[in-house]
Amino acid sequence: EDKVVQSPLSLVVHEGDTVTLNCSYEVTNFRSLLWYKQEKKAPTFLFMLTSSGIEKKSGRLSSILDKKELFSILNITATQTGDSAVYLCAVVGGATNKLIFGTGTLLAVQP
Amino acid sequence: DGGITQSPKYLFRKEGQNVTLSCEQNLNHDAMYWYRQDPGQGLRLIYYSQIVNDFQKGDIAEGYSVSREKKESFPLTVTSAQKNPTAFYLCASTLGLAGEDEQFFGPGTRLTVL
Repeated sequence: EDKVVQSPLSLVVHEGDTVTLNCSYEVTNFRSLLWYKQEKKAPTFLFMLTSSGIEKKSGRLSSILDKKELFSILNITATQTGDSAVYLCAVVGGATNKLIFGTGTLLAVQP
Repeated sequence: DGGITQSPKYLFRKEGQNVTLSCEQNLNHDAMYWYRQDPGQGLRLIYYSQIVNDFQKGDIAEGYSVSREKKESFPLTVTSAQKNPTAFYLCASTLGLAGEDEQFFGPGTRLTVL
């Protein structure tokens, strides 16, 4: 069965800390891995990763994919209270090329 | 402005009633999706449609129905057969195939069964 596992389930840090969120997967017919940020409403897109070893960066956020070890990490440096959200990882693949979501990591950044 | 709209934002229904959630997009996207999100869980796929007049069941389609008569619209009906319908429902779309294009999400509808 295809699955996506995120860790940790939740995380509390202080402003200025650096965090690393993990996403591992076992999905047949892998096409891509996506990261989303969800703040009590619709998820907003962060990154799409398709190739191993190529870091994608947007401001203080960065992400990288390892297709050999079947995982991705999302890094957030110099965290701010506005980074508090659920971060969702999804993998596109399986028999029907649909998104398979992990349960998410709840990040709380305290002032 | 292009985007995805869902209505209503909040919906209450009594047990045994069918209810239809609206999803409209003006992005000219081919594919549309319905997800359900429960507290502490990720998104689970209910139905998806890659072209007009065609749709496929996702992982949890039982108790739900959809239609895709127009490219812009993909309404979801939660029927009385759905045993636990209280949840947050998200509609999404992609230009082409998922995995090749970013999936955009609507603002969601929170359904509560009384």
